[in-house]
Amino acid sequence: SAVISQKPSRDICQRGTSLTIQCQVDSQVTMMFWYRQQPGQSLTLIATANQGSEATYESGFVIDKFPISRPNLTFSTLTVSNMSPEDSSIYLCSVAGAGGTDTQYFGPGTRLTVL
Amino acid sequence: EDKVVQSPLSLVVHEGDTVTLNCSYEVTNFRSLLWYKQEKKAPTFLFMLTSSGIEKKSGRLSSILDKKELFSILNITATQTGDSAIYLCAALRYNNNDMRFGAGTRLTVKP
Repeated sequence: SAVISQKPSRDICQRGTSLTIQCQVDSQVTMMFWYRQQPGQSLTLIATANQGSEATYESGFVIDKFPISRPNLTFSTLTVSNMSPEDSSIYLCSVAGAGGTDTQYFGPGTRLTVL
Repeated sequence: EDKVVQSPLSLVVHEGDTVTLNCSYEVTNFRSLLWYKQEKKAPTFLFMLTSSGIEKKSGRLSSILDKKELFSILNITATQTGDSAIYLCAALRYNNNDMRFGAGTRLTVKP
């Protein structure tokens, strides 16, 4: 499976600020995704990060709030903009297509707390 | 609307017990069913099931998919305290290859 890293692993931010989370994979992957896991909840897909084009967002998530970049096949960023306490969550990137498999593997996650 | 439902939501057992976790799904463009174990932040992959009726095994864990009845089960035999975690199932879809997750089953194994 691919080795996935995320930065930062955790952060505490003030309301109204923005945070950019990075996801780096050690090999080229076909697909990269961003998920959110709010406290006590399961994982919800935010968007699919498309290489070289705009991300595909799920219902309830918009580009202005969660801008995503994917400049190449091994790297993506998710920005949480104009944060509020409701954005406090674990944010996870996942990848698929490493080694020819469709299995999605997850990065270690970023725990975000908004005060 | 796509649905993935897990049961039970919470389970407490003692070491050595056998547990069965359930996952039912109604998902458009269904491709495969995946199971993950989540102990801290990142879910770790357990199984991917694409064909009906073929059991997959890894040590004390096993899983099977029924595509006719739209459900899967995850069995854990001779449970250990290290099995305590949240177990997530997810339905992988064609087209976008995205996943829909269930709410998870929180398993607690007591010594």
